[in-house]
Amino acid sequence: SQTIHQWPATLVQPVGSPLSLECTVEGTSNPNLYWYRQAAGRGLQLLFYSVGIGQISSEVPQNLSASRPQDRQFILSSKKLLLSDSGFYLCACPRGSGYGYTFGSGTRLTVV
Amino acid sequence: QQQVKQSPQSLIVQKGGISIINCAYENTAFDYFPWYQQFPGKGPALLIAIRPDVSEKKEGRFTISFNKSAKQFSLHIMDSQPGDSATYFCASSNDYKLSFGAGTTVTVRA
Repeated sequence: SQTIHQWPATLVQPVGSPLSLECTVEGTSNPNLYWYRQAAGRGLQLLFYSVGIGQISSEVPQNLSASRPQDRQFILSSKKLLLSDSGFYLCACPRGSGYGYTFGSGTRLTVV
Repeated sequence: QQQVKQSPQSLIVQKGGISIINCAYENTAFDYFPWYQQFPGKGPALLIAIRPDVSEKKEGRFTISFNKSAKQFSLHIMDSQPGDSATYFCASSNDYKLSFGAGTTVTVRA
């Protein structure tokens, strides 16, 4: 079964600073990968998904970007953070057995 | 545009009671309907899921009821326990993307 590693677990960053969140996947090869954001008390919003190395699709216009430099690595970035970028960021990939996703443990980002 | 509408936003149930969460979807191309359970500070975990060719699926104390004609599905938690206190998300999928509801926070009082 797959395992998704996300780090850091928590992050406090000032407005205008850069951001880099990393997600790596074990136990599968060439998976679809997804970045979701969960604002406080709200549902999960799909930000980006990738079907392969270098292939990124953006779901919503925003201050963030994503990259997939390796098969099992997915990176979420920003050049200048905004207060509205605060939230809980989750990386996901399809489950190996059946349907649905496996999620990582998430990164809690607070922009101050 | 929210493709999956979930209600209620929160609910409180006594231990041993039944929790019911409802979801409605618009896109008839959706072909997979999972429910996720999320504890504070953790990522969501798949709880139970259903395909549109069945009307009900039960796993232990958790049951999904699916009404294809009404484009609605619901999660029933029977004999609710304090350990069930969490946020529950419904979702709908076609192709390879999941669309999530806004979530329901369930609190089970002992």
